[in-house]
Amino acid sequence: TQLLEQSPQFLSIQEGENLTVYCNSSSVFSSLQWYRQEPGEGPVLLVTVVTGGEVKKLKRLTFQFGDARKDSSLHITAAQPGDTGLYLCAGGIGGSSNTGKLIFGQGTTLQVKP
Amino acid sequence: NAGVTQTPKFQVLKTGQSMTLQCAQDMNHNSMYWYRQDPGMGLRLIYYSASEGTTDKGEVPNGYNVSRLNKREFSLRLESAAPSQTSVYFCASRQLKSVGELFFGEGSRLTVL
Repeated sequence: TQLLEQSPQFLSIQEGENLTVYCNSSSVFSSLQWYRQEPGEGPVLLVTVVTGGEVKKLKRLTFQFGDARKDSSLHITAAQPGDTGLYLCAGGIGGSSNTGKLIFGQGTTLQVKP
Repeated sequence: NAGVTQTPKFQVLKTGQSMTLQCAQDMNHNSMYWYRQDPGMGLRLIYYSASEGTTDKGEVPNGYNVSRLNKREFSLRLESAAPSQTSVYFCASRQLKSVGELFFGEGSRLTVL
């Protein structure tokens, strides 16, 4: 069974602070995606990382895929109230056993207070 | 652009009743997924269909059945609903089974009394 452990599960910070969300597993993933979800809506893709050690930046958000492709992190610099939401990581099972299965972590609820 | 459409958006059932959640996508995607979302547990995969004509179990398939009716449609059936199936259900699709963005519907909120 492949599991994605996401931490922390809840984060409440002041505007302007930095934060990091972690996504860890004992399994190797062919790709790792991060999604953001707002109340009453479905998740929306932020980024996909596929290469071990890969780093991608999206404005104030920095995403990293671990060298062994078992973990990932999301770092937000100078958080703003508009960053408030549920952040989810999702891992794809690849290689010869690629079945298209995509599993999610438990999610991190981020609250940024003005 | 409709994307992924789920029906119904809300449903209340009594224990033991059956129902089907419908999902359709108009993006010509090959792969489709059903997830359930519960507080503190993220999204858990119920069933998925990597391509038309195939379906596979996810993490929590017990109590559910699916049908990939054609390339566009993927339905989820609860044969005998239980209170533990109270949840928000999301259908999603993507172009290929191995890569690419998952596009989600708006969700279906199901309450089983």
